[in-house]
Amino acid sequence: EVQLLQSGGGLVQPGGSLRLSCEASGFTFTGYAMAWVRQTPGKGLEWVSAFGGSGDSTYYADSVKGRFTVYRDNVKNTLFLQMNSLRVEDTGIYYCAKERFVECRHFDYWGQGSQVTVSS
Amino acid sequence: DIQMTQSPSSLSASVGDRVTITCRANQSISNYVNWYQHKSGKAPQLLIYGASRLESGVPSRFSGSGSGTDFTLTINGLQPEDFAAYYCQQSFSTVFTFGPGTKVDIK
Repeated sequence: EVQLLQSGGGLVQPGGSLRLSCEASGFTFTGYAMAWVRQTPGKGLEWVSAFGGSGDSTYYADSVKGRFTVYRDNVKNTLFLQMNSLRVEDTGIYYCAKERFVECRHFDYWGQGSQVTVSS
Repeated sequence: DIQMTQSPSSLSASVGDRVTITCRANQSISNYVNWYQHKSGKAPQLLIYGASRLESGVPSRFSGSGSGTDFTLTINGLQPEDFAAYYCQQSFSTVFTFGPGTKVDIK
């Protein structure tokens, strides 16, 4: 059974940092790209970042480029999102998601979500 | 980046109704569109991938169509558990984008 167990998150002041973790099980972690998606208050879903399944390709939304870093530990089957220079508008629920490529790339499994609150 | 729009932004419907949500991309994206259902406090759920492929385990009342720039999600016979937000998402580019969402609530 595929599981994505998230940890991290919390309350931080503007300009601060947080790290989110997503521990994967039930599938061959190195065989799949993984991503982070967030839902901000009053808004919908926003794709944040992704780490390719093969190699070390990383991708970011313009809104977080230069502030967030996605990386993975293939020994611990864990995806991370290091968030620096946090802004109030980064507040939201962050989900990790597993990509699958059939017809096109999409997210077939999701973590339970981590609350990130940026406030003074 | 590829921009996705959805309409309507919200709708009210009754159990048993047929509901149609449209999604439009600002450039051609072939069939690289997916649809998700999102309920408050829960993780999003994949409904449709590749514009028209029904995800395993998803009820057959959900269907998708379209290609190029215009896409549709249809729910035939709305059920109480279907009241939620629905999002389209493109994966044509390496930077994915979601539509702004459509909230379906009870009339």
